[in-house]
Amino acid sequence: DGGITQSPKYLFRKEGQNVTLSCEQNLNHDAMYWYRQDPGQGLRLIYYSQIVNDFQKGDIAEGYSVSREKKESFPLTVTSAQKNPTAFYLCASIPRGEGRQPQHFGDGTRLSIL
Amino acid sequence: SQKIEQNSEALNIQEGKTATLTCNYTNYSPAYLQWYRQDPGRGPVFLLLIRENEKEKRKERLKVTFDTTLKQSLFHITASQPADSATYLCALERSSARQLTFGSGTQLTVLP
Repeated sequence: DGGITQSPKYLFRKEGQNVTLSCEQNLNHDAMYWYRQDPGQGLRLIYYSQIVNDFQKGDIAEGYSVSREKKESFPLTVTSAQKNPTAFYLCASIPRGEGRQPQHFGDGTRLSIL
Repeated sequence: SQKIEQNSEALNIQEGKTATLTCNYTNYSPAYLQWYRQDPGRGPVFLLLIRENEKEKRKERLKVTFDTTLKQSLFHITASQPADSATYLCALERSSARQLTFGSGTQLTVLP
């Protein structure tokens, strides 16, 4: 079955440490997104990528970095510059095409601070 | 600034009744609006999309309306079941294509 796989499910970060969250999709989708979700808040866009080797900052990109070297992969690095990284991180993708397409989501990674 | 509000954080209803969830927005002129369901610890799952020129959309027990004058969408679940208990998110298209802005969601609990 096609889908989006996020790993790990749970991740713990020590102070001053960078951590990388994985997002892999086998849907052949072109655009990929990273969101952060905090309790009682909507999803906030961190970064997005429309095509390979290209990505743009979203609303809350500070303290995060991404790469898009392959169509199927869009890893997110939470750097030590992100002072409040504890959150639920969601990756999504949509296919190329005319008209509006719904976003397909992975099942998230929950990041906590040790 | 652009803003999306979903009517309440939590809504409890009795099984068999119709659940109605509200999504209000300001400073937007979205061409379309989407509704998603999210279960605890899972990613959102797409339910319905409605375009600005559509007043109503239905899918099985689900119905969505879109009033661009009132800047409001209503999401209805008829004959609700305990399995419908989840958080429901509305999302609007941004001015930049292929991007969405999400509301904070309404947590629906259907009581048996």
